[in-house]
Amino acid sequence: AQTVTQSQPEMSVQEAETVTLSCTYDTSESNYYLFWYKQPPSRQMILVIRQEAYKQQNATENRFSVNFQKAAKSFSLKISDSQLGDTAMYFCAFMKNRNNDMRFGAGTRLTVKP
Amino acid sequence: GAVVSQHPSRVICKSGTSVKIECRSLDFQATTMFWYRQFPKKSLMLMATSNEGSKATYEQGVEKDKFLINHASLTLSTLTVTSAHPEDSSFYICSARAWTTDTQYFGPGTRLTVL
Repeated sequence: AQTVTQSQPEMSVQEAETVTLSCTYDTSESNYYLFWYKQPPSRQMILVIRQEAYKQQNATENRFSVNFQKAAKSFSLKISDSQLGDTAMYFCAFMKNRNNDMRFGAGTRLTVKP
Repeated sequence: GAVVSQHPSRVICKSGTSVKIECRSLDFQATTMFWYRQFPKKSLMLMATSNEGSKATYEQGVEKDKFLINHASLTLSTLTVTSAHPEDSSFYICSARAWTTDTQYFGPGTRLTVL
């Protein structure tokens, strides 16, 4: 079974600074998908970024980028120029293949301070 | 695009009654829909996966007779909590995925309170 571990229950960062959220996973699959979702106080899950394991290039979406280390089974999220609206729970998720369900980590609560 | 709605957003019911939650994909055909449960300050726990036109696949420990899932069309799945009890109070979230994509799109969730 695949497991997803987020070892940082809570983090905080000053506005405009950079923060990195960590995620590790365990799998025996060679190809799979990884995601970061954001859940603000409204509780609506919002896709932040996704990575396909066969792609070596790290995914980037504006201020959000990932550091995908396949051998280490690590998938960290870097948020640059943090904004107050980035305050939310962030969940790392693993999906074995496109026809499978998604497994979530425990989440990291990020607070951006003014 | 890729909008998923849930109805109702909040529901309060008496113990012993049944509650139906709807999940709709508004601008795409969802061949697969997922139902999650989320306790306060916790992660999402997958309850079941439903494919259009077939029976749902339930995760271990989820009572299929208590949480009835129907996915009768490509845009609608329903979760019925039967004979609800206070311990069923939770936040229920659905997600939907089209066969052409590997991304799940989430509904806004339904807060169920059983008195």
